[in-house]
Amino acid sequence: EPEVTQTPSHQVTQMGQEVILRCVPISNHLYFYWYRQILGQKVEFLVSFYNNEISEKSEIFDDQFSVERPDGSNFTLKIRSTKLEDSAMYFCASSQGTFNTGELFFGEGSRLTVL
Amino acid sequence: KNQVEQSPQSLIILEGKNCTLQCNYTVSPFSNLRWYKQDTGRGPVSLTIMTFSENTKSNGRYTATLDADTKQSSLHITASQLSDSASYICVVSPYTGGFKTIFGAGTRLFVKA
Repeated sequence: EPEVTQTPSHQVTQMGQEVILRCVPISNHLYFYWYRQILGQKVEFLVSFYNNEISEKSEIFDDQFSVERPDGSNFTLKIRSTKLEDSAMYFCASSQGTFNTGELFFGEGSRLTVL
Repeated sequence: KNQVEQSPQSLIILEGKNCTLQCNYTVSPFSNLRWYKQDTGRGPVSLTIMTFSENTKSNGRYTATLDADTKQSSLHITASQLSDSASYICVVSPYTGGFKTIFGAGTRLFVKA
């Protein structure tokens, strides 16, 4: 069964460092998303991406964050100058249709720990 | 403000028993409501998707209901199994044509033998 894969599963970084989280969405999907879940809290929408550009982003997704689809398979989330409060589980997801119509498939997450 | 509230926060039931989880939302207008199962440390997995015009949707032992007038949804789990122990999350998508989604905090279900 096709699945969304994420790497790394866990990354530890020092405050101020840059981090890149990688995702390989399901191959025939067109819409890609990043979500964040701080330990013990709700899942929060960060950004959606379609046709090589950001479709929508939340208030959390400020200039510290960026997304990219560098090739035909990978979808990355870059976090510049990490802060302690960036420590969270980051989930990538993809869908064939829009979130209004398509089923959303999540990856297993990348746990980011900022020290 | 668009919100999704779930109750109870946590629930303990015995294996084989049924349970019902609640979701109240203030998102309006909304496009669809979804229920997800999230095992600890894993990504959410979709259980049901309902548009505003649907009243009920089943997926095996999971049955979701939706009352768009009262802005309430429920997830009923029949004949619970130990593997049902997880968080169950209600997610509402506003009808804005966009992709922003609003997650509830989830109900943590523990199924005991």
